[in-house]
Amino acid sequence: EVQLVESGGGLVTPGGSLRLSCAASGFAFSIYSMNWVRQAPGKGLEWVSSISGGGSYIYYADSVKGRFTISRDNAKDSLYLQMNSLRADDTAVYYCARDPSDSSGVYWGQGTLVTVSS
Amino acid sequence: QAVLTQPASLSASPGASASLTCTLRSGINIATYRIYWCQQKPGSPPQYLLRYKSDSDKHQGSGVPSRFSGSKDASANAGILLISGLQSEDEADYYCMIWHNNAWVFGGGTKLTVL
Repeated sequence: EVQLVESGGGLVTPGGSLRLSCAASGFAFSIYSMNWVRQAPGKGLEWVSSISGGGSYIYYADSVKGRFTISRDNAKDSLYLQMNSLRADDTAVYYCARDPSDSSGVYWGQGTLVTVSS
Repeated sequence: QAVLTQPASLSASPGASASLTCTLRSGINIATYRIYWCQQKPGSPPQYLLRYKSDSDKHQGSGVPSRFSGSKDASANAGILLISGLQSEDEADYYCMIWHNNAWVFGGGTKLTVL
């Protein structure tokens, strides 16, 4: 069974930093691209960043480019998001999501809440 | 103009069918895209429902009832999620998504009310 478990969320002041983690299990982690998707309170889903299975290809939304860094450790089946220079509009639930394949869909974690406030 | 546009809300009666649309921006050819649909209930993460590109390229999520199905309306450049035999538990937010220009793009979501 595919499982994705996020951690690392919390309350941080504007300008601060936070590192999110996502522990994956139940599938061959290293062959799948992974993503971070966020959802601000009462709003829709917003893609944040993607990283390919081997880590060679990385993409960011314009809203986080230069501030957030996605990474992965395939030896630990883990995905990370380093968030710097946090702003109030980064407040959201952050979901870890596994890319679909030809024979499977998108898998989502339970999410971790990040609140940026003074 | 947004890449994917969904109506903000839709209401339908129990037992009826609901057709949720996901319209691609003009100039983006729907024929080349796999459209993914997810359902989200309050306080829960999104859950994958299905994927549809064509009748020969589609996928149903594990455990997703067959009354959820996907299609396209090429003339409207839109993907469609059809839910038949509506039940009260189908009341939720529904999002479409595509992989476009090296990014996942989401529609704004449709809030489906079953009343």
